[in-house]
This record gives sequence, C-alpha cells and structure tokens, in this order.
Amino acid sequence: EVQLLESGGGLVQPGGSLRLSCAASGFTFSSYAMSWVRQAPGKGLEWVSAISGSGGSTYYADSVKGRFTISRDNSKNTLYLQMNSLRAEDTAVYYCAKDAVPAATYYYYYGMDVWGQGTTVTVSS
Amino acid sequence: AIRMTQSPSSLSASTGDRVTITCRASQGISSYLAWYQQKPGKAPKLLIYAASTLQSGVPSRFSGSGSGTDFTLTISCLQSEDFATYYCQQYYSYPRVTFGPGTKVDIK
Repeated sequence: EVQLLESGGGLVQPGGSLRLSCAASGFTFSSYAMSWVRQAPGKGLEWVSAISGSGGSTYYADSVKGRFTISRDNSKNTLYLQMNSLRAEDTAVYYCAKDAVPAATYYYYYGMDVWGQGTTVTVSS
Repeated sequence: AIRMTQSPSSLSASTGDRVTITCRASQGISSYLAWYQQKPGKAPKLLIYAASTLQSGVPSRFSGSGSGTDFTLTISCLQSEDFATYYCQQYYSYPRVTFGPGTKVDIK
C-alpha cells in the first residue's frame, strides 16, 4: 500500500525552528517529485515547496523562501522540511504529497495522488 | 503568479441534487487543472486531473470540464459522502502549483 506518514509537528515560539519528516512506503520514492502543502486553521490549501525525485531541484512559495528548506533522503525514503524563523502565520497543518506520475512536467502531471495525514505546526509564544 | 478563484464559496444542496462549482484562473492555463475533495480533518483526495480526466476509483457522478481560464466541477447526483470542500489546482506553473480558495458543499 502506498503510504505517507508525516511527523515532527508541534508548538514552537516565533523565530524558532522545526523539522518535519515524511516517511514514504509502497512506491519507488526516488522516482517521484514530492511537495509540502499546508492549511492554516479554517483556511484553504497552500503549496509550500516541492523537490524533484533526485533532490537536485527545489522550489518554494514566496511566503517561505529563505526560511524553509526542502530535502529528501532517497536511501531512507524520507522527505523533510526544515522550517526556520517561524512566524505566527506559518501555523498550519502540513501535508506531504506525492506526484501521481514519475518525472512529471506541467504537461505530464496527473495531480497529487497520495497525501499524508498531516502534522500540525503551531507558532505561538 | 497564477491566481485561482472559485464560486460559490459555499453552497447548500440536498442528496440527489446536481451541483456545479466554477473555477477561474487569472491567465490561460490550457487544461492543466485538477480538482480535489477534502473532508473535515482529512487530507485532500484527488478527483480529476487534466480538467476532465477522472482519477482511478472516483465515481462517475463527478465530472470536470473547461480549458483556458474557466473550469467547472459537476456532481451529477449528490450523495451523502460528497458533502465536503472542493479545491481546484492549476499546474500550468508546475511545480509551483496554486489552489483555489475552496467551495464548501453542505447539507441543505
């Protein structure tokens, strides 16, 4: 069964740091780009960051650029999100999500077909 | 950045109703659009990609249409399990995708 399991969320003070992990199983992890998507309380979905299957290319939303770092360890089938200089507006449930197709491009992309259960990050003093 | 809007933001409907949700992109995105369903406390679920292609396992009462800037998601005969929030997602700017603000479908 294809599965994603996030961990690492919690309560952190403004300006603090947190590292999220997403453990993948049931598919060839290194073949798929992965993303982090967050959802603030009572709000919609916001794409945060993405990383290619090899890990060689990374992408960020303007709202987190320079503060967050996405990475992956294909030997451990794990995706990470290092979050620094956290702000109250980063409070959200963070989901990791898998591209539906390997080596996707904008014209060969079938959405995000597998999502984790989410991990909650609360930034508050 | 490509901005997505959805209308209505919420709607009330009854089981058996036909429901249509509209999504609009701030610029042309061809057919590079997906739809997701999200229930409270749960992760989103992929319903449709390429504007009109049904994801495997999704009931045929769901359908999508449109291209360019205007898209629709239709539920032909609303079932109790369809009460949820629906999001459109553009991937013309993949991997920097963006989601619409969502449309909540609740029980009348």
